[in-house]
Amino acid sequence: EIVLTQSPGTLSLSPGERATLSCRASQSVSSNYLAWYQQKPGQAPRLLIYAASSRATGIPDRFSGSGSGTDFTLTISRLEPEDFAVYYCQQYGSSLTFGGGTKVEIK
Amino acid sequence: EGQLLESGGGLVQPGGSLRLSCAASGFTFSSYAMSWVRQAPGKGLEWVSAISGSGGSTFYADSVKGRFTISRDNSKNTMSLQMNSLRAEDTAVYYCAKGSGKYPFGSTFDYWGQGTLVTVSS
Repeated sequence: EIVLTQSPGTLSLSPGERATLSCRASQSVSSNYLAWYQQKPGQAPRLLIYAASSRATGIPDRFSGSGSGTDFTLTISRLEPEDFAVYYCQQYGSSLTFGGGTKVEIK
Repeated sequence: EGQLLESGGGLVQPGGSLRLSCAASGFTFSSYAMSWVRQAPGKGLEWVSAISGSGGSTFYADSVKGRFTISRDNSKNTMSLQMNSLRAEDTAVYYCAKGSGKYPFGSTFDYWGQGTLVTVSS
């Protein structure tokens, strides 16, 4: 089973700043089948990025994904107030596994 | 736009059983894989089980294999999760999630329900 490790656990930033979240896989993710989800308190997760770098429908272009193989990154170019949330990466190439999450909180 | 509505959660004693249901609308149900994903209180997301669009292939996380059974009725646009031999560690919000393709692997979760809480406690 592929294990996904997200870092940092918590990111404390101010609105307007850039956020860089990391997701590292224990082995190569086939076909770059790596997705990112955003979850706010009391809500279901929402798909942001799929195939490592493709934005899902309706997702603002301040969200971008990059990476391949075992190292992936989610970047939020300028944090908006509604972006403070928990973010999960997920691989869907070999079984289905999630990372432990990164909380982006207001500094 | 797809909509998913879970039901069937509640309080159950350890060793007991519960059946969750997910009603789907707004998309061609039989064309897409479906999954259950759970989230223990204050914890992260854990994939539990998945079923292909036809219902012919099912998959389980090791943590629930042999205890949970996933099924779907494409004529009624519904999916179910039969949970037996429940343990305290099964306590979580259970989400129904739609796959982006017909087969679970190679598919992201593009629509999610709001979840149903399962509490296993005496």
